[in-house]
Amino acid sequence: NAGVTQTPKFQVLKTGQSMTLQCAQDMNHEYMSWYRQDPGMGLRLIHYSVGAGITDQGEVPNGYNVSRSTTEDFPLRLLSAAPSQTSVYFCASKGSTVEQFFGPGTRLTVL
Amino acid sequence: AQSVTQLDSQVPVFEEAPVELRCNYSSSVSVYLFWYVQYPNQGLQLLLKYLSGSTLVKSINGFEAEFNKSQTSFHLRKPSVHISDTAEYFCAVSESGNQFYFGTGTSLTVIP
Repeated sequence: NAGVTQTPKFQVLKTGQSMTLQCAQDMNHEYMSWYRQDPGMGLRLIHYSVGAGITDQGEVPNGYNVSRSTTEDFPLRLLSAAPSQTSVYFCASKGSTVEQFFGPGTRLTVL
Repeated sequence: AQSVTQLDSQVPVFEEAPVELRCNYSSSVSVYLFWYVQYPNQGLQLLLKYLSGSTLVKSINGFEAEFNKSQTSFHLRKPSVHISDTAEYFCAVSESGNQFYFGTGTSLTVIP
């Protein structure tokens, strides 16, 4: 199993550009989530999904969209990037237990 | 919303010395509690968790944490640290198992 994979690993955007951060898992987990990690702030939940077709907002959802059309994939969309969205983004998934498995992260810089 | 407080942002400790990383949370209801470890340029890995039952939980690499409901704490301890324990440690809490709240992290540096 590859576990949780994220692409790209690094990305630089200009203010106003859009992009999609990809996340996939091959563990047949129903639950998937997106976090952002900022210095001195820890990890903050952006959006999560408890199954295909079901998404919900986390702590910091503004500026981000998600959808969940399959169990395996949970992309995170930035429609109009802002410098405040410069961060490291982590995707995670979990199955029937409460243990989350994290991907390696995407480092995003918005200029 | 929950809040998780990790009182120490940086903890330097000499090799083979004991260490305690402190974590307090705000909830007054039943919660799940976690400690995650993050090595440089990697994702987070679960170190140990408290779901219910015994208040003392242990990991396979010598860490332990004790759930204290009256003090709403879940401090992480290790009696003798190794160089390889140098990493960032995050405490996390969840009431529902769907929304997780993380502390700001403690950077543990083990000094040879």
